[in-house]
Amino acid sequence: EPEVTQTPSHQVTQMGQEVILRCVPISNHLYFYWYRQILGQKVEFLVSFYNNEISEKSEIFDDQFSVERPDGSNFTLKIRSTKLEDSAMYFCASSVLATQYFGPGTRLTVL
Amino acid sequence: KNEVEQSPQNLTAQEGEFITINCSYSVGISALHWLQQHPGGGIVSLFMLSSGKKKHGRLIATINIQEKHSSLHITASHPRDSAVYICAVRADSNYQLIWGAGTKLIIKP
Repeated sequence: EPEVTQTPSHQVTQMGQEVILRCVPISNHLYFYWYRQILGQKVEFLVSFYNNEISEKSEIFDDQFSVERPDGSNFTLKIRSTKLEDSAMYFCASSVLATQYFGPGTRLTVL
Repeated sequence: KNEVEQSPQNLTAQEGEFITINCSYSVGISALHWLQQHPGGGIVSLFMLSSGKKKHGRLIATINIQEKHSSLHITASHPRDSAVYICAVRADSNYQLIWGAGTKLIIKP
């Protein structure tokens, strides 16, 4: 069964460094999403992406964040200059229509 | 005010018990999702509902659009059902999911 994959599973970085989180959505899916979950808190929407552009973004998704679909298969989330409060689990999801399929997540730890 | 409220926050039950988890929301929605989050963090989509009732194995999900309320039921609960169950709604104005805080379910043998 096709699944969404994410790499790396765990990323440790120093404050101020750039990180790129990678996702490979299910191949025939059209909509792509990033969510984050700070430890002990609820999942929060970051951004959705369709037709090679951002379709929606939340207040969390400020200028430090960007998304890209560089090669038709990968979907990446870049954080330009990480802060301590960016430490969280980041989930990628993809969908054809409404049902979203989630990746296993990348745990980002900012030191 | 939270747009999606779940109850209870925590639920511990004995194996075999019938489990009900509730979700209330305050926004207009196009769909409601029930998801399961395992202790390792992975998220699995269980149901997507826009009306009525859906059943998958021992899981049943219902939604009442007029009352803005949904329930997730687990029949003949088993320790492997232990997880966090999350309700998330898709607002009718956009594509994003608005998530509840989750219900942590523990089923004891």
